[in-house]
Amino acid sequence: DGGITQSPKYLFRKEGQNVTLSCEQNLNHDAMYWYRQDPGQGLRLIYYSQIVNDFQKGDIAEGYSVSREKKESFPLTVTSAQKNPTAFYLCASTWTSGRPGSYNEQFFGPGTRLTVL
Amino acid sequence: GQQLNQSPQSMFIQEGEDVSMNCTSSSIFNTWLWYKQDPGEGPVLLIALYKAGELTSNGRLTAQFGITRKDSFLNISASIPSDVGIYFCAARGAGSYQLTFGKGTKLSVIP
Repeated sequence: DGGITQSPKYLFRKEGQNVTLSCEQNLNHDAMYWYRQDPGQGLRLIYYSQIVNDFQKGDIAEGYSVSREKKESFPLTVTSAQKNPTAFYLCASTWTSGRPGSYNEQFFGPGTRLTVL
Repeated sequence: GQQLNQSPQSMFIQEGEDVSMNCTSSSIFNTWLWYKQDPGEGPVLLIALYKAGELTSNGRLTAQFGITRKDSFLNISASIPSDVGIYFCAARGAGSYQLTFGKGTKLSVIP
């Protein structure tokens, strides 16, 4: 089955530690995205990548880093510089070509809930 | 930056009732989307709208792309318990792959 895998589902981290969240897709999508979701809030874009070895900052990139070495993978590192990292993190992917249609819209993974202890 | 104002923030309804929620913006968008998120899961696309004035249905769900391109609404008819969740509107401008999201409408259905 094609889809997006995010692991782990739950992650606990001590203050001052970096942690990396995994996102893998086998949909052959070109673009991948990372969002942060806080209670009662919409999704806020952290980083996005439209092609391999290229990525752009979103609205709230401070304290986060990413890499895109493979088309299928877009890991997100939450660094110790992120002052309030406890949140639900969502990865999404989509094609960047083709005609408009629901199949061309962002498809989301199941999310990773990060808690800082 | 661009913002989507989604309302209501939350709603409690009786099973069988119809539901309506909407999203407005001061900016023009070329695409409007409606997603549903179950607790602890990622959002799932319900309906995509690509043309001003477009009215699209997906089962008991109906959504419209406002004629001004600054708003959209979602209706759910004859609600059932599995409709519970958070509904998000999202929109995209011309030539962009980035989405702007509303803050969501949390729907609770009372059996």
